[in-house]
Formats: sequence, structure tokens, C-alpha cells
Amino acid sequence: EVQLVESGGTLVQPGGSLRLSCEASGFIFSSYSMNWVRQAPGKGLEWVSYLSSSGTIYYADSVKGRFTISRDNAKNSLYLQMNRLRDEDTAVYFCAREVTTFDSWGQGTLVTVSS
Amino acid sequence: DIVMTQSPDSLAVSLGAGATINCKSSQSVLSSFNNKNYLAWYQQKPGQPPKLLIYWASTRESGVPDRFSGSGSGTDFTLTISSLQAEDVAVYSCQQYFTTPFTFGQGTKLEIK
Repeated sequence: EVQLVESGGTLVQPGGSLRLSCEASGFIFSSYSMNWVRQAPGKGLEWVSYLSSSGTIYYADSVKGRFTISRDNAKNSLYLQMNRLRDEDTAVYFCAREVTTFDSWGQGTLVTVSS
Repeated sequence: DIVMTQSPDSLAVSLGAGATINCKSSQSVLSSFNNKNYLAWYQQKPGQPPKLLIYWASTRESGVPDRFSGSGSGTDFTLTISSLQAEDVAVYSCQQYFTTPFTFGQGTKLEIK
């Protein structure tokens, strides 16, 4: 069974940093592209970043230059380093496996940016 | 960026009745390379992550009941639920994966009348 478990979300002040993790199990993690998708409270889904199995990376313009996606295949883990956080980054952050599109999602981790 | 616009924003349907949700993309998501529409539908219940229902505009994900169907091509797409069940109450979102940034519709809230 595919499982994705996010962690690392917490309350952080504007301008602060945070690192999210997503631990994968139930599939060969290194073979799949992975994504981060976020959802602000009461809002729709917003794609954040993509990392392919071969290392290709894409970011949404809203996070480019502030967020960094990475993976450690030995640890079956995906990461999102978030710097210079803003109020508008407040959201539940989901990691999602990509097979054609986002076929498996974690439960999400809440990031709250507030002073 | 490709903008995805859904209609309606909310919908109330009687149990056993059909429901139709529309999704329009600001540019075509049909690939001339493989003649596939890069369009997916998700269902999201409160407090849960999204669940993939439909991809390639009309291919049902494994395990999804056949009362859910997708149609359309190019820029106009439809999700149809043929006979609404109580467990179908959720927010439904379309998404294009034709090009980055991958973009979602604003969501349609489906309720029981």
C-alpha cells in the first residue's frame, strides 16, 4: 500500500524558515516523480513544486527563489525547504506521487506563518 | 499560466439524481503528440487529502465507482456523477497537467438537496 506521511509543519514567524518532510513507503520511491501541493485554509489547491526521478525541478512562481525541493532516495523521503516565509504561505502542504498525475497524496502538514 | 475555471461553485442534488460539474481551461490541454487531454478530476472530503478520480479527461482511476465519468476535449470538460450517493458529498476539482505550473480549478462543492 502506498503511504506518504508529511511532517514538519508548525507556527513560524514571517521571514522565518521551515523544512517539511514526506516519508514514502509501499512503492519504489526512487522511480517516481514527486510534488508538493498546498491548500490555504478554505481555499483551493495550489501546486508548489515538482521533482522528477532524474532530478528535474520546477517551482510555482509564488515560491521560486524561496523554496527548495529535494529528495533522499536512500531514506525514501521528499523535502521542501521553505525560506523567507510570508503570511500567504499559510496552508496545509501535501506531498503527492506523480503517475500521469497526482495519484497518491499524504494527509498533509499545516504550516502557519504569523507573528 | 493555464487558468482552470469550474462551474458552478456549488451544487445541491437529490440522492439518486445526476450531477454535472464543468471545467474550462484558458488554453487547450490536448496534446497533438499523443491526442490525450491532460486533465484530471479530484474529490476532496473535509479533513482529507484529494483523491484522484479521473485522468486523461475520461479514464477512471482504479477503484473509482463507475457512476463517476469524465468527458470533454481541448478546453471544455465535464465530470458527471450518474446517481448521487451520500458519500459523494465533497469538493470536486479539475486540474491540468499539460504544462507547469500545474493548475487547479477553484473547486465545486457538492451537497445533498
